[in-house]
Amino acid sequence: DQQVKQNSPSLSVQEGRISILNCDYTNSMFDYFLWYKKYPAEGPTFLISISSIKDKNEDGRFTVFLNKSAKHLSLHIVPSQPGDSAVYFCAASSDNYGQNFVFGPGTRLSVLP
Amino acid sequence: KAGVTQTPRYLIKTRGQQVTLSCSPISGHRSVSWYQQTPGQGLQFLFEYFSETQRNKGNFPGRFSGRQFSNSRSEMNVSTLELGDSALYLCASRPRAVYNEQFFGPGTRLTVL
Repeated sequence: DQQVKQNSPSLSVQEGRISILNCDYTNSMFDYFLWYKKYPAEGPTFLISISSIKDKNEDGRFTVFLNKSAKHLSLHIVPSQPGDSAVYFCAASSDNYGQNFVFGPGTRLSVLP
Repeated sequence: KAGVTQTPRYLIKTRGQQVTLSCSPISGHRSVSWYQQTPGQGLQFLFEYFSETQRNKGNFPGRFSGRQFSNSRSEMNVSTLELGDSALYLCASRPRAVYNEQFFGPGTRLTVL
């Protein structure tokens, strides 16, 4: 049973438009959430994170929104660029789990020029 | 600072064999985690080592084992390989056990024939 879900395996967006990647979780003990980006033949790289005490965190073109009551978070990329084409993983952790990170299955984003 | 390195990058084995993968964390990082990535499953947590001790373990059979050396380098061993063990094995390090961002290596692509 997946505790972190990314229900869209893939997403295509036109360059310059907004990309919205979604992530849902089932475990209410999760209190810290991260997004990683992965290019082929490379390991995932950290993108942005959010603590459960916040509902929004912004870093340049990337914004993560957290809705704790819905157990849902989303990553917004504005404006999308072709270099953003990658697989995006959502991950969650909890101090109660000794900071294990539970990852979602990933969403492949394609930004079309 | 050099990143996380993993060797070998690619490996082909046959069923029933055993394999050892190696990970060198970023200098100064004492925590090393291992993940298995397969299509559609995302990153599945295998185990984490900190100061030569296994700190956390995921839901994998006992055929999967690991260890960490005094210089923080880590090895992962899989015995009696099965076809389903074909995957990308990722290693991640962080400075200490309670630190939210992990730094990933490029992975070892294991193919079991």
